[in-house]
Amino acid sequence: QVTLKESGPGMLQPSKTLSLTCSFSGFSLSTSGMVVSWIRQPSGKSLEWLAAIDWDGDKYYNPSLKSRLTVSKDTSNTQVFLKITSVDIADTATYYCARRPWSGFDYWGQGVMVTVSS
Amino acid sequence: DIQMTQSPSSLPASLGERVTIICRASQGISNNLNWYQQKPDGTIKPLIYYTSNLQSGVPSSFSGSRSGTDYSLTISSLEPEDFAMYYCQQDASFPWTFGGGTKLELK
Repeated sequence: QVTLKESGPGMLQPSKTLSLTCSFSGFSLSTSGMVVSWIRQPSGKSLEWLAAIDWDGDKYYNPSLKSRLTVSKDTSNTQVFLKITSVDIADTATYYCARRPWSGFDYWGQGVMVTVSS
Repeated sequence: DIQMTQSPSSLPASLGERVTIICRASQGISNNLNWYQQKPDGTIKPLIYYTSNLQSGVPSSFSGSRSGTDYSLTISSLEPEDFAMYYCQQDASFPWTFGGGTKLELK
């Protein structure tokens, strides 16, 4: 079955780089049309799409954070990574990864909470 | 960016009631509209993709439709487990964007 699971540092200091990992199974990111995305949600707020990487290795970013984001995948196509540079308190959120086969996110991870605090 | 305006933000309702949530896009999205349910523990469940297609395992009490620029999620008869947050999302063009959410709560 399809599963995705996010992992991250839990807490980090302002100005540091946040590194997140999405480990998945039950599907191949090399399948034509497949996309894995990162989405985040500050407590009590709506969802914000951050970035995506597709089966062909093409990358897509939210322009509002593009200069700070880097999405990548491993060569075995079982993990997707997200780095956010120069974090501040506004980056405190739950971060989700999700799969998009061709329309809509059909599987989501449980989310990982990240707190930025000095 | 395409703005997704979702209404209402809060929807008190009773068990067995029929409810509808609306999402309006700031520009055309050609049916590329999806719906999600989020429970208080943060778990997100996909409900509908491409306006009206039910995701696997979603009960038929859920349906999606479009009327002009308005996209709707309808629950025909509310069950206890349906009380949750609901979000719409467009994936017609980048950046993909979400609505502000609707809290469906027990009246």
